[in-house]
Amino acid sequence: AQTVTQSQPEMSVQEAETVTLSCTYDTSESDYYLFWYKQPPSRQMILVIRQEAYKQQNATENRFSVNFQKAAKSFSLKISDSQLGDAAMYFCAYRNGYNTDKLIFGTGTRLQVFP
Amino acid sequence: DTGVSQDPRHKITKRGQNVTFRCDPISEHNRLYWYRQTLGQGPEFLTYFQNEAQLEKSRLLSDRFSAERPKGSFSTLEIQRTEQGDSAMYLCASSSTPRGTGELFFGEGSRLTVL
Repeated sequence: AQTVTQSQPEMSVQEAETVTLSCTYDTSESDYYLFWYKQPPSRQMILVIRQEAYKQQNATENRFSVNFQKAAKSFSLKISDSQLGDAAMYFCAYRNGYNTDKLIFGTGTRLQVFP
Repeated sequence: DTGVSQDPRHKITKRGQNVTFRCDPISEHNRLYWYRQTLGQGPEFLTYFQNEAQLEKSRLLSDRFSAERPKGSFSTLEIQRTEQGDSAMYLCASSSTPRGTGELFFGEGSRLTVL
């Protein structure tokens, strides 16, 4: 069975600084997708960034980028120039590449941003 | 379209009562998902529909839980004879096929408290 592990329950960063959130996963599949979702307090979860396993290039979305290490089954999220609005729960998620959109989530990392 | 909407947002009930949650997905999305999220955990998959067909159910979905999606539009999740362990946030999400970004669009959730 596939699993997703986030070993950092909480992280904090100062505004304008950079922070990295860790995620590891376990799968025997070769075709899969990885995601980072953000869940602000009392708000809906939104997609931050996605990575296809077959792509070697790391995904980037503005201030958000990933470090995808397929062999190590690691998928970390880097947030540059952190902003107060980045404060939220961040969930790493996995989906296999076959006929399902079912996501398997990690337990999340709470990110605090200090001014 | 304003996104995925869920109703009610909060429900407090006594143990043994039945509750029903409703989800209205983004109108052009034909896939609809239910997840459950307990405190300190990531969302756990419950079930999903493609149009009106329920394609997959988690083992978490006991006989007391039933989900429907008549006519492939809105969906309902009913919990019969609620137990205190059912207290959680119930999240609905939708997506479109064929799978493009693989992104799920989440609602704000329905929080259930069983006394």
